[in-house]
Amino acid sequence: GAGVSQSPSNKVTEKGKDVELRCDPISGHTALYWYRQSLGQGLEFLIYFQGNSAPDKSGLPSDRFSAERTGGSVSTLTIQRTQQEDSAVYLCASSRDSFFYEQYFGPGTRLTVT
Amino acid sequence: ELKVEQNPLFLSMQEGKNYTIYCNYSTTSDRLYWYRQDPGKSLESLFVLLSNGAVKQEGRLMASLDTKARLSTLHITAAVHDLSATYFCAVDIGTQGGSEKLVFGKGTKLTVNP
Repeated sequence: GAGVSQSPSNKVTEKGKDVELRCDPISGHTALYWYRQSLGQGLEFLIYFQGNSAPDKSGLPSDRFSAERTGGSVSTLTIQRTQQEDSAVYLCASSRDSFFYEQYFGPGTRLTVT
Repeated sequence: ELKVEQNPLFLSMQEGKNYTIYCNYSTTSDRLYWYRQDPGKSLESLFVLLSNGAVKQEGRLMASLDTKARLSTLHITAAVHDLSATYFCAVDIGTQGGSEKLVFGKGTKLTVNP
């Protein structure tokens, strides 16, 4: 079946611009996660959604980062006023629910801030 | 602050040889994951270890978990070139008992030479 999909696959933006990254989880999965992977910091947790519960935002690095999940499915990660240190691969994962342990990762969005 | 330490970070081995990758972590958790990442690709789930003493095997890879020692191992038996990839361990630090937020090690880049 279809896996987690993310768009765009690559995004180049100028410093100071806002960007939106999209994640489509596996159909029926109620848990959705965002991580980012960079050379300097490795893989870092950003935010986690489970059903209709309030998201766990504890990994967001600054208030320039926000995420929403509409209709319990698609999620958008927004980065405002991008900085060069935001350059990374942003990975989305989904899980059947948070009590089903396996997280399935999407292909990622490579963000480059110039 | 939770630390997840993998060693070695780089491993070059010959086909047919055995080796073990170690993953130490600094907080109590009974949920540990191993992932594989090929260059330019996303993360592929290998093993989910959910209890002390858990052992799982898939092909030439075997993973184990010792929660008392806060140690997981990934053992490679009779390595083949196709196993060349970066391997990550990740510890779940969520408090609800399911799959919540993962803290990743820095990864072990494995190269298997003919």
